[in-house]
Amino acid sequence: EPEVTQTPSHQVTQMGQEVILRCVPISNHLYFYWYRQILGQKVEFLVSFYNNEISEKSEIFDDQFSVERPDGSNFTLKIRSTKLEDSAMYFCASQRGVGTYEQYFGPGTRLTVT
Amino acid sequence: AQSVTQPDIHITVSEGASLELRCNYSYGATPYLFWYVQSPGQGLQLLLKYFSGDTLVQGIKGFEAEFKRSQSSFNLRKPSVHWSDAAEYFCAVGAGTSYGKLTFGQGTILTVHP
Repeated sequence: EPEVTQTPSHQVTQMGQEVILRCVPISNHLYFYWYRQILGQKVEFLVSFYNNEISEKSEIFDDQFSVERPDGSNFTLKIRSTKLEDSAMYFCASQRGVGTYEQYFGPGTRLTVT
Repeated sequence: AQSVTQPDIHITVSEGASLELRCNYSYGATPYLFWYVQSPGQGLQLLLKYFSGDTLVQGIKGFEAEFKRSQSSFNLRKPSVHWSDAAEYFCAVGAGTSYGKLTFGQGTILTVHP
């Protein structure tokens, strides 16, 4: 069964450094998402992406964040200058298309900012 | 804006006992509702979904959920719990468009005693 994959599974970085989290969505899906879960808190929506542009973003998704689909398979989340409060589990999700509503999640990347 | 409340942070049941996990939502229109399960170190796996129609929906692993509009609830049930069901369970509500962010509850941790 096709699944969403994410790399790396764990990333440790120093405050102020740039990180890129990578996701490979399910191949025939058209909508892509990033969510994050700070330890002990709810899963929070960050951004949705369709047709090579951002469809919606939350107030968390400020200028430090960007997303890109550089080729036909990868979907990336970049944090330009990480802060301690960016430490969280980041989940990528994909959705097949119009008329479907369920999102399929990857296993997550645990980002630790020191 | 939509919101989801899962009143129980932690539930413990004995193997073979029945289970009900509570979920209440707030959303102005007809919601799209989901239950996801997360095992340690794993991503979020979709258990079941409600979009419209029959208010009792069946999912994977023997789970079911009932949508009750009058109570704004979407409780998850299983008649007989197995030790492998121990995990964290998340209820989520989707916006009323074909794509859109999911808003999650804070999760319920299920412990199963032998």
